[in-house]
Amino acid sequence: GQQLNQSPQSMFIQEGEDVSMNCTSSSIFNTWLWYKQEPGEGPVLLIALYKAGELTSNGRLTAQFGITRKDSFLNISASIPSDVGIYFCAGQPDNNAGKSTFGDGTTLTVKP
Amino acid sequence: DAGVIQSPRHEVTEMGQEVTLRCKPISGHDYLFWYRQTMMRGLELLIYFNNNVPIDDSGMPEDRFSAKMPNASFSTLKIQPSEPRDSAVYFCASRQGWHQPQHFGDGTRLSIL
Repeated sequence: GQQLNQSPQSMFIQEGEDVSMNCTSSSIFNTWLWYKQEPGEGPVLLIALYKAGELTSNGRLTAQFGITRKDSFLNISASIPSDVGIYFCAGQPDNNAGKSTFGDGTTLTVKP
Repeated sequence: DAGVIQSPRHEVTEMGQEVTLRCKPISGHDYLFWYRQTMMRGLELLIYFNNNVPIDDSGMPEDRFSAKMPNASFSTLKIQPSEPRDSAVYFCASRQGWHQPQHFGDGTRLSIL
């Protein structure tokens, strides 16, 4: 089956720093999604990307759909303590859009 | 707007007991997904429905697991009999249409003793 490699696995940063994480796949996806999960809650959608090359922002978050359709990155600028959580990427292929493939997550810790 | 609603939020039971997890998807969403999340295996898709019909149950671990969606606003995931290795957080998610993102509930944390 399809697999997503998400990196880094974890990050420990100082408040105010910028953060970058990415996902790569051996297969092509037609939709890339980025979610954030906080303790005791379900993943919450941050950004959805539908076209190769698309660059989309949501406040301090920016995500891009790679040109090859096999990768995506998420940047967080000027991190704050409430950015703490686990960030997941997910890819959806066209041939079976029902089955999203999720990365293993990037755990972000922000020190005040 | 109400999101995906799952119940119970927590369940602790002894092995061998039947466990039923419940989900109410977002109104108007025609896809419903059940996931299991563990530290070891991450987020695993168990089964998903489209218009109340099971489409792919290849992720269901074994016959002890079953899922139903009797109508557009309700789904259950049942484990019978339960085993300690079933302990995990179970998420339900719903989606409107083919390419739209999934929206997750807050999960049921299941502990089998």
